[in-house]
Amino acid sequence: AQSVTQPDIHITVSEGASLELRCNYSYGATPYLFWYVQSPGQGLQLLLKYFSGDTLVQGIKGFEAEFKRSQSSFNLRKPSVHWSDAAEYFCAVGDGGYQKVTFGTGTKLQVIP
Amino acid sequence: DVKVTQSSRYLVKRTGEKVFLECVQDMDHENMFWYRQDPGLGLRLIYFSYDVKMKEKGDIPEGYSVSREKKERFSLILESASTNQTSMYLCASSHRGEQYFGPGTRLTVT
Repeated sequence: AQSVTQPDIHITVSEGASLELRCNYSYGATPYLFWYVQSPGQGLQLLLKYFSGDTLVQGIKGFEAEFKRSQSSFNLRKPSVHWSDAAEYFCAVGDGGYQKVTFGTGTKLQVIP
Repeated sequence: DVKVTQSSRYLVKRTGEKVFLECVQDMDHENMFWYRQDPGLGLRLIYFSYDVKMKEKGDIPEGYSVSREKKERFSLILESASTNQTSMYLCASSHRGEQYFGPGTRLTVT
């Protein structure tokens, strides 16, 4: 069965600092990987996705993520965090049939001035 | 833009009541999903459907059922609501793996 681990429940960064959110997955074949963001009181929005090809994927709002098969990881990064990035971030892995997606437990990001 | 709508943003029900949560998508997506979101547990899949009248159990189907009579509509049913079903319920539709979420229904069972 597929699974996702987000080891950091809560992260605090200063505005302008760099950010890396960790995600490790377990899946028997080539995974389909996603990062979603949920701002306070808002629905979930897709930040980026990896299906195949280039292991460094670019997303919206200046985010990127790198797929590392050897480490079973798909970490999310941003070079300079803005106060509006404060939100909860979810990593997810999907099966090859584009159907079932399993989400991690989320990482809540706090941005301090 | 894809739009996924849910019938209520907030709902309060009593223990033992039958509860219907409705979800409608306007992009002709074949796959639709129901999740519940609880603090510290992330999103957990209750049921999903990949076609009209087709449904598959997710990770936590106990106490829930679903109905999909039309492609655009996917309903979640709590046959007899219990307090441990107090949660945020999220509906999604998907296309090529990307999930599009509704705003959620915060259900409180008292």
